[in-house]
Amino acid sequence: SQQGEEDPQALSIQEGENATMNCSYKTSINNLQWYRQNSGRGLVHLILIRSNEREKHSGRLRVTLDTSKKSSSLLITASRAADTASYFCATDVKPGNTDKLIFGTGTRLQVFP
Amino acid sequence: DTGVSQDPRHKITKRGQNVTFRCDPISEHNRLYWYRQTLGQGPEFLTYFQNEAQLEKSRLLSDRFSAERPKGSFSTLEIQRTEQGDSAMYLCASTPTPEETQYFGPGTRLLVL
Repeated sequence: SQQGEEDPQALSIQEGENATMNCSYKTSINNLQWYRQNSGRGLVHLILIRSNEREKHSGRLRVTLDTSKKSSSLLITASRAADTASYFCATDVKPGNTDKLIFGTGTRLQVFP
Repeated sequence: DTGVSQDPRHKITKRGQNVTFRCDPISEHNRLYWYRQTLGQGPEFLTYFQNEAQLEKSRLLSDRFSAERPKGSFSTLEIQRTEQGDSAMYLCASTPTPEETQYFGPGTRLLVL
C-alpha cells in the first residue's frame, strides 16, 4: 500500500518558473526522502530530510517538512527542461528498524522550454 | 561509477516461465532492498536483506517469488511460473546503514506475455 500522496498528480510549467510539489503521509517517520525518476528509468535520490529537521536545501531544491501535519514540500526553483520527470516522496516507518521505504504516487512534472 | 547495478535491464518472457534478476549493490552496503513498480505508481517494497539474512518480506511476495543474497554481496530475485500480473519494473536499492539514503539501480523491466 502507498503511504504517501503527492499533490498535484501532474504539473506543467515553463522553463524558469518554480515548481512546488507536496507530499502527505500517514504514520510517524524517521526521515523523508525525495526521488526523481525519468521515464522508464531508475530512481535518483534528491534529498533526505530527518524528522527533527524543518527545511533543507540542495542547489535549486528546497524541501520542507512539517511532522505535525505529516506533510512535506519540494520546491524546484528556476526550472529547466531537464527537470521533466516524475518526483516521488518516500518515508520510512517509525517505530521499527526495517528502513523499508513507502512511496507516494508521484508528481509528473513537465517543463516546457 | 560504482553505483547499484541490475541485470538484465529488460526481460520478455512467456507466461509460466521462470525468470531471475540480479542486483549488485554498492560495495560494502549491508542493506539491500527489492521493490516493484507498476506503470503510473510509486515503487512498492518487496523484501530486504541485512548482509545475507532476509529480514522482511512483503505480502506482495507470493510463494512464486524467492530472493537470496548468499554471501551478503549480490542478490537474486526469482519469479517462478510467471503471470501477466508480474509485468513491472523491479528495482533494487542499497544503503550502508539504517535511516540513510537508499541508492537505486536502473531497474529490470519485466514483460510477461
